Amino acid sequence: DVKVTQSSRYLVKRTGEKVFLECVQDMDHENMFWYRQDPGLGLRLIYFSYDVKMKEKGDIPEGYSVSREKKERFSLILESASTNQTSMYLCASSVGPRQYFGPGTRLTVT
Amino acid sequence: AQKITQTQPGMFVQEKEAVTLDCTYDTSDPSYGLFWYKQPSSGEMIFLIYQGSYDQQNATEGRYSLNFQKARKSANLVISASQLGDSAMYFCAMREGVVAGGGADGLTFGKGTHLIIQP
Repeated sequence: DVKVTQSSRYLVKRTGEKVFLECVQDMDHENMFWYRQDPGLGLRLIYFSYDVKMKEKGDIPEGYSVSREKKERFSLILESASTNQTSMYLCASSVGPRQYFGPGTRLTVT
Repeated sequence: AQKITQTQPGMFVQEKEAVTLDCTYDTSDPSYGLFWYKQPSSGEMIFLIYQGSYDQQNATEGRYSLNFQKARKSANLVISASQLGDSAMYFCAMREGVVAGGGADGLTFGKGTHLIIQP
């Protein structure tokens, strides 16, 4: 089975802190994605990567950056966390059409 | 304009009844893929079913089937013989260029339908 893991299920950070969300997949997938999920809005794509060191902006990249130094790991970085970044963050990976999701990280910024 | 529209924010259905969850989409790309995911209260996204735009037949996976009406740009999910464990959020999603593109682009999701199965 494909496994996508995320470093934390719950995270509480203060405004202005630098935040790292880590995602690891074990199936040698080329493509990795970061989404945020908010009630009533569904999931929205933040960034994705189709290869090591490659990244593309999604629909809502403002306030975020990403890093992919190894194929299995894709990190989402909040350079200076703000309260409007309180959300559920979901990582996914794919090699074909289907995306496999991690369990999500619920981030609260106070 | 929304690319994926799910018009039912919530639904209550009696156990063992069939359920249809609506999804309409908007794209000018002839090559695209349509997906349904289930998200129970635990939060994980569970893949249910996939339909490619060039697929001739409607996709089926066990109790799930996708009623694909290309001319209407409709991709409704049908769950036969609903069970209490089907209670969850359901999301319809699309990726454009999926057949030619190899899968690098992200999915566009609808806002979801909260399905509650009643005993």
